[in-house]
Amino acid sequence: EAGVAQSPRYKIIEKRQSVAFWCNPISGHATLYWYQQILGQGPKLLIQFQNNGVVDDSQLPKDRFSAERLKGVDSTLKIQPAKLEDSAVYLCASSSPARYAGEQYFGPGTRLTVT
Amino acid sequence: KQEVTQIPAALSVPEGENLVLNCSFTDSAIYNLQWFRQDPGKGLTSLLLIQSSQREQTSGRLNASLDKSSGRSTLYIAASQPGDSATYLCAVRPGGSRLTFGEGTQLTVNP
Repeated sequence: EAGVAQSPRYKIIEKRQSVAFWCNPISGHATLYWYQQILGQGPKLLIQFQNNGVVDDSQLPKDRFSAERLKGVDSTLKIQPAKLEDSAVYLCASSSPARYAGEQYFGPGTRLTVT
Repeated sequence: KQEVTQIPAALSVPEGENLVLNCSFTDSAIYNLQWFRQDPGKGLTSLLLIQSSQREQTSGRLNASLDKSSGRSTLYIAASQPGDSATYLCAVRPGGSRLTFGEGTQLTVNP
């Protein structure tokens, strides 16, 4: 089966600009996650969707970050306006309760550099 | 609040050595624990998942153990190879779906 797809792989923007990332989960996976991984740290969950509804966005900086998952499949994560501290890798993952213990499968990530 | 700690932060070993990576977590009320591998510039690859009711899982040269009561897990890598060089991340999952990650152990296996 095809894995989790993300684009773009790399993005460089200036602070105060906006940026959007796209994720296509594994077919049939109802749950989709966006994580932020700052260099040298483990990933931190930003938002979790179950189908097209938000389950957990408690760690999403809502003044500048937004995410949507229309039709319960693809998802986009947007940052507007970007700050220097947003430089990180943004990882998308998906899972299915029907698969072993809801194991999460990760995409390759989008590396964002804010200058 | 769940906190996950991985020791050591970095490890360098010669090829062929057996090695152990450590992970500890503060809240023993977990649903499962996963070990991931991350290569530079890449996403995460799941290596092993241990359910809270299990003590260990094995896949090839990898063996992961879980002692939930003491809040510890270890990842054992037998006969290490240069291709094992990567960052290894431990993550615990409480009753919900959110994973809490450690900061990882950066492993270098020298030929």
